Amino acid sequence: EEQLVESGGGLVQPGRSLRLSCTASGFSIGDYALNWVRQAPGKGLEWIGFIRTKGYSATTEYAPSVRDRFTISRDDSNGIAYLQMNSLKTEDTAVYYCARDAEWFVRFYYKAMDVWGHGTTVTVSS
Amino acid sequence: DIQMTQSPSSLSASIGDRVTITCRASQSIGYSLNWYQHKPGTAPKLLVFAASNLQSGVPSRFSGSGSGTDFTLTIHSLQPEDVGTYYCQQSYSIPLTFGGGTKVGIK
Repeated sequence: EEQLVESGGGLVQPGRSLRLSCTASGFSIGDYALNWVRQAPGKGLEWIGFIRTKGYSATTEYAPSVRDRFTISRDDSNGIAYLQMNSLKTEDTAVYYCARDAEWFVRFYYKAMDVWGHGTTVTVSS
Repeated sequence: DIQMTQSPSSLSASIGDRVTITCRASQSIGYSLNWYQHKPGTAPKLLVFAASNLQSGVPSRFSGSGSGTDFTLTIHSLQPEDVGTYYCQQSYSIPLTFGGGTKVGIK
C-alpha cells in the first residue's frame, strides 16, 4: 500500500524552529513531486509549498505566507521529504500534511494530490 | 493568486438525496480543478481530478463537471459515509489554492 507518514510535530515557542518529516512507503518517493499542506484549527486546507523531482532539479515553490521562513527538501535514498520551519509564528499552528503530486494526461497534463498522510500537529505558543 | 470560492459553506441532506457543491475560480483555470473529501483525523482523499475524472476507487455516485471558472461536485445519492468536508483546489497556477470547504452532514 502506498503511504505517507508525517512526524516531528510538537509544541514550540514563537520564533523557534522545527523540522517535519514525511516518510514514504509502498512507492519510490523519487518519482514524485511532494506537497506540504496545512490546516489551522477551525480553518480549511492551505497549500504551503512543494518540491519537484530531481529530474527538475528538486526546485521548490512556496505560498507567500511561508516564503523566506519555510524550506522543503528531499532525501530520495531514504524515502523522506522534509519541511524546515523557521521563525515560527502563532499563526503557523496547524496540522501539517504531506501529499504526493500525481499527474495524468487527459488531452493536457493535469496534476492533483493523490496520496496524503494523516498529518502531524504543530502548536506554536509561549 | 487565484481565489477559489465554494458554496454553500455547509449543508444537511437526507440519505439518498442528490447533493451539489459549487466552486468558482477568480479567473479561468480551464479544467485544472480537483475535489477532495476530508474527514476529521484522517488523510484528505482525492475524489475528482481535472474537473470531471473520477479517481480510482471512488464510488460512481460522485461526479464532477465544469470548466473555466465554474465547477460542480455532485453526490448523486448521499450515503452516511459521505459525511465530511469537501474542498476544491486549482492546479492551474502557483500558488495552488483551495476553496474554503463545504461541510456535508446528514439530516
